[in-house]
Amino acid sequence: AQKITQTQPGMFVQEKEAVTLDCTYDTSDPSYGLFWYKQPSSGEMIFLIYQGSYDQQNATEGRYSLNFQKARKSANLVISASQLGDSAMYFCAMREDNTNAGKSTFGDGTTLTVKP
Amino acid sequence: DGGITQSPKYLFRKEGQNVTLSCEQNLNHDAMYWYRQDPGQGLRLIYYSQIVNDFQKGDIAEGYSVSREKKESFPLTVTSAQKNPTAFYLCASSPPGTENYGYTFGSGTRLTVV
Repeated sequence: AQKITQTQPGMFVQEKEAVTLDCTYDTSDPSYGLFWYKQPSSGEMIFLIYQGSYDQQNATEGRYSLNFQKARKSANLVISASQLGDSAMYFCAMREDNTNAGKSTFGDGTTLTVKP
Repeated sequence: DGGITQSPKYLFRKEGQNVTLSCEQNLNHDAMYWYRQDPGQGLRLIYYSQIVNDFQKGDIAEGYSVSREKKESFPLTVTSAQKNPTAFYLCASSPPGTENYGYTFGSGTRLTVV
């Protein structure tokens, strides 16, 4: 079974608007971390934001925020005030602390295109 | 500046050849990882190492081998046993004991079978 599911292969957003990229996950490990990465066309992966399973508040990093709904097992990325440079592929990843030795499992990604 | 250097950026392999992808980091990170990415897909774990002289198989280790003789270096060999090696290969690292720390990635090696 897929551990990380990203159901949106492609998304479009108008410059300066907000966009939400969906991510659902599946784990029975009570301790886990959720990550979002950005992959521009150059190929390098860039770490954006982290949410721990025990964190009470949603994570934020500048224009990025993570909408964490633990009961629904979802960890959506919200990008506010989109910029042309945000056009890239975005990956959701999960690390299971007890069952997976700290390794991360990645979703298939969402390609975001920001329109001027 | 600290980071991960992967070389070469592009690599062409003939049928039946072994090739080695280099990954070097100067971040003083203990853990290092190799991932494979196929077009339009996510990353799949090939091998990982949490300490020098120790490494573990990931989800798709068949046809690959690694070594970890130095903390800074984690080379990946794609052997002739790997039947479909054409892909983008990413090396990553992370420090120990920092659960909220995302991976640092190299810029990748694009391998093509000719």
